[in-house]
Amino acid sequence: EIVMTQSPATLSVSPGERATLSCRASQSVSTNLAWYQQKPGQAPRLLIYGASTRATGIPARFSGSGSGTEFTLTISSLQSEDFAVYYCQQYNNWPPMYTFGQGTKLEIK
Amino acid sequence: EVQLVQSGAEVKKPGESLKISCKGSGYSFTSYWIGWVRQMPGKGLEWMGIINPGDSDTRYSPSFQGQVTISADRSTTTAYLQWSSLKASDTAMYYCARSGDSSGAFDYWGQGSLVTVSS
Repeated sequence: EIVMTQSPATLSVSPGERATLSCRASQSVSTNLAWYQQKPGQAPRLLIYGASTRATGIPARFSGSGSGTEFTLTISSLQSEDFAVYYCQQYNNWPPMYTFGQGTKLEIK
Repeated sequence: EVQLVQSGAEVKKPGESLKISCKGSGYSFTSYWIGWVRQMPGKGLEWMGIINPGDSDTRYSPSFQGQVTISADRSTTTAYLQWSSLKASDTAMYYCARSGDSSGAFDYWGQGSLVTVSS
């Protein structure tokens, strides 16, 4: 089973600054990597899929990069609405299997 | 508009059975896999399993194999997650989510169903 490890567990950043979140896979997942945002009391929302493709309606300040085992989500200029928990997820298209990272909480500094 | 609408909150006792639902609309229900995700109180997301409503092919996470059953009814465009004997440790929010058009990522999510198991 593929293990996804996110770092850091908590990231404190000031509004307007850049945030960089990391995700590492225990073995190569190619670019089968997604990022989700979850706010308190809400369902997760897909931000990035294919490691670097923004989902529909996601602002350009969100970008994803990486392949194989190392991935990064960058938020270029933090807005107040971006403070939330972020999860990475690997997905194997066939057979369909998924694993989430443990999450990174992005908080206001 | 694609929507996944889940059944409401449930309060059950240990040992009871339960089936929660996720109704899809606004898209071809049989063309997209539907997954289930658990979130225990204050914790992260855990993938439980996934079903292809078109042919009922179902895959489970090793952590949940034998613990739950996932099914789907094409006639009502509804997916289900069920337990035969609940435990207190099943207390959690459960989300259904659609596996996306361009990838296996979950592009649409239900609002969640809160299950509380307590004696």
